[in-house]
Amino acid sequence: DGGITQSPKYLFRKEGQNVTLSCEQNLNHDAMYWYRQDPGQGLRLIYYSQIVNDFQKGDIAEGYSVSREKKESFPLTVTSAQKNPTAFYLCASSRDRGNYNEQFFGPGTRLTVL
Amino acid sequence: GESVGLHLPTLSVQEGDNSIINCAYSNSASDYFIWYKQESGKGPQFIIDIRSNMDKRQGQRVTVLLNKTVKHLSLQIAATQPGDSAVYFCAENTGGFKTIFGAGTRLFVKA
Repeated sequence: DGGITQSPKYLFRKEGQNVTLSCEQNLNHDAMYWYRQDPGQGLRLIYYSQIVNDFQKGDIAEGYSVSREKKESFPLTVTSAQKNPTAFYLCASSRDRGNYNEQFFGPGTRLTVL
Repeated sequence: GESVGLHLPTLSVQEGDNSIINCAYSNSASDYFIWYKQESGKGPQFIIDIRSNMDKRQGQRVTVLLNKTVKHLSLQIAATQPGDSAVYFCAENTGGFKTIFGAGTRLFVKA
């Protein structure tokens, strides 16, 4: 059963703590993405990775970090430097680096910072 | 922008009627467009896509229309069902990895 998994579904953290969100895909996709979703706004790109050991900043990368050590995995760390981390975080993947490939999304992680 | 949000445009339709959801895109250079469906608390699901060399594409119960002259995209859902209730948003891609997601429209289906 192929797809993208994100864990956990809900995450609570105290202000000032770093937290890592997991994203795993078994679709054999080269490209992976992290988005942030806030009420009333579109998805905003945080980071993306075209291939293992390579990643690029998106539109709102400040306060976040990623790694891509394996093709299947693209974890996102929300650091204490992120000013407003409470949001719904979505991971996605697409088949390759070419155009015209739709992105497949995971179920999301809702992060609440107390 | 989009999201399963509080202040999205809303469309309310009767079960069995057809739904039309509209989207104005921003970049005349965009050449690939996608419609996604997002149910509450879940990730977006791909519905249908269209390239800029087409003006219409049909799927199962869904049709996407593209008007490049006025930069307008629409999603038509035939015989709308309660399970179609969700937020729908369009996305545009100009090539490469940058995809711009629209704000979304919330569809309510009345039984």
